[in-house]
Amino acid sequence: NAGVTQTPKFRVLKTGQSMTLLCAQDMNHEYMYWYRQDPGMGLRLIHYSVGEGTTAKGEVPDGYNVSRLKKQNFLLGLESAAPSQTSVYFCASSYLGGPEAFFGQGTRLTVV
Amino acid sequence: DQQVKQNSPSLSVQEGRISILNCDYTNSMFDYFLWYKKYPAEGPTFLISISSIKDKNEDGRFTVFLNKSAKHLSLHIVPSQPGDSAVYFCAASGASYDKVIFGPGTSLSVIP
Repeated sequence: NAGVTQTPKFRVLKTGQSMTLLCAQDMNHEYMYWYRQDPGMGLRLIHYSVGEGTTAKGEVPDGYNVSRLKKQNFLLGLESAAPSQTSVYFCASSYLGGPEAFFGQGTRLTVV
Repeated sequence: DQQVKQNSPSLSVQEGRISILNCDYTNSMFDYFLWYKKYPAEGPTFLISISSIKDKNEDGRFTVFLNKSAKHLSLHIVPSQPGDSAVYFCAASGASYDKVIFGPGTSLSVIP
């Protein structure tokens, strides 16, 4: 049972490039989330989804887009990467109405 | 403006003693409060939660106290062990856990 898997684990992008981070969960969870972690800021919610085909904005959505075409996958896109998007990105999923979210191992993204 | 605050970036405690991690929040609409633990290079893992209708919840060595009037919660770890050394995040959400907001974290060091 893999839990929550994030792909890739590391990536270096040049300013202006685009990329997609993939999150896959095999626990049949309804809810999925994307967070970014920055020093002194903790985890900040970018976007989240409460079910297949639905997405909503979190605390810091600007510069990111998401899609949840399949229940098990939640994609985070950066259309035009900026140095301010250098961060560690975490995906998480949880049961409908449950307190515990399960996190992936994180993706370290550097934008130069 | 941060809705969940952890004003102590770090805490150091002797093994066997009590660790007390504090958290304050500003949004009185939060219904659930959670604590997560994070080791370096790993995703956060769920530790314990409390509903806004309770003032205490225990799970083994971990107890969370909630003071709604003060918009304050704390996590007590007794006795503290070296393996507890990690970053602890306080988080809060509405009734459906759809939008979970994290604090900046407190780094706990338990000294043998």
